Amino acid sequence: EDQVTQSPEALRLQEGESSSLNCSYTVSGLRGLFWYRQDPGKGPEFLFTLYSAGEEKEKERLKATLTKKESFLHITAPKPEDSATYLCAVQAEDFGNEKLTFGTGTRLTIIP
Amino acid sequence: EAQVTQNPRYLITVTGKKLTVTCSQNMNHEYMSWYRQDPGLGLRQIYYSMNVEVTDKGDVPEGYKVSRKEKRNFPLILESPSPNQTSLYFCASSLYGPNNRGRETQYFGPGTRLLVL
Repeated sequence: EDQVTQSPEALRLQEGESSSLNCSYTVSGLRGLFWYRQDPGKGPEFLFTLYSAGEEKEKERLKATLTKKESFLHITAPKPEDSATYLCAVQAEDFGNEKLTFGTGTRLTIIP
Repeated sequence: EAQVTQNPRYLITVTGKKLTVTCSQNMNHEYMSWYRQDPGLGLRQIYYSMNVEVTDKGDVPEGYKVSRKEKRNFPLILESPSPNQTSLYFCASSLYGPNNRGRETQYFGPGTRLLVL
């Protein structure tokens, strides 16, 4: 069974204090790993897709990386508007299986 | 504006009273999916649809039904709701399913908060 574990559950940072969020996964062959951002009361918003170990993607202050066992979401010099819950999801390389498996998220708070 | 819409946004009902949550997308997406989100459990997939008349179970399908008669609509039906179906529900769509590299980005609706008494 596919599993996704995110850590920490919650993270409080001062504005400008860089850090990383972790997403560990267990799948029978990874087809894709997805990062989403979710603001309170809203639906998840797509950030990145990573397909293979060593791949990296960047968007503004966010950078996502992927290894064979985990992914990191690095946040550089965060601002208060980066406060949100960040979700990780995986899709297994299983013909006919189109399901996404989500982690429970990391709730990030950036203090001005 | 490209979007996924859900209705209603909030719903309070009683056990056993059939209800339908509608989902519609205006992006001509083939793939649509329903999730529920519960504290400590994250987002769990209920049902998904690869195209019109093609649906399949996700991880937690019990107590739910879906249909896909038109490409743009994917309603979620609770025939006899129970209190354990109290949750936050999200509909999502993508151009193609996750099996299509580069075209699998899922766009989520705003959510429907359901309370079953």
